[in-house]
Amino acid sequence: DADVTQTPRNRITKTGKRIMLECSQTKGHDRMYWYRQDPGLGLRLIYYSFDVKDINKGEISDGYSVSRQAQAKFSLSLESAIPNQTALYFCATSEPGQGAWTGELFFGEGSRLTVL
Amino acid sequence: DQQVKQNSPSLSVQEGRISILNCDYTNSMFDYFLWYKKYPAEGPTFLISISSIKDKNEDGRFTVFLNKSAKHLSLHIVPSQPGDSAVYFCAASARDYGQNFVFGPGTRLSVLP
Repeated sequence: DADVTQTPRNRITKTGKRIMLECSQTKGHDRMYWYRQDPGLGLRLIYYSFDVKDINKGEISDGYSVSRQAQAKFSLSLESAIPNQTALYFCATSEPGQGAWTGELFFGEGSRLTVL
Repeated sequence: DQQVKQNSPSLSVQEGRISILNCDYTNSMFDYFLWYKKYPAEGPTFLISISSIKDKNEDGRFTVFLNKSAKHLSLHIVPSQPGDSAVYFCAASARDYGQNFVFGPGTRLSVLP
């Protein structure tokens, strides 16, 4: 089983609908992230959480919200989906770095969202 | 404006030859750099990293070189294998980013048999 699991893997929805993408992890990491990937833009950070009571906006948080239900669960919500939110979404986890090491990210397999 | 750039969207290399993937960054505060590999329908996986206190890090067939004065790093794969065909992302981190990573747009490597 994957250490970082995302559901659903694929979703097609209509403009204005509310969508939730869920992420759960078995790595025991405190830090969790949501990224979106668009062609030619790489991975951009939406939200991140360094522990259950810590939620921070990333580079492109507008139109999104998150919930950290437990150490192992981090959900991303689109309250009213719009077509330019069509993208591949990745959840990731990490541990705090030691010294110069900032800690690698461990990614889920991705959730492809299409907003019509 | 992108802080991490990978100016080659794609690269094709013959099996057995060297693959060189390049990455440029603009923020001089970046002090840690990673390369990730991504296959279709999978999440990115960590490949190799380098701290700004080094100029080279090697792991098997993969070597990353860092030129801080030029704000440039490169990933060398020698010898290239068909299984190396994937999208490669360069990522950079700075302590004043809360240790978050900024990713480049990726380079698609195709290794031809």
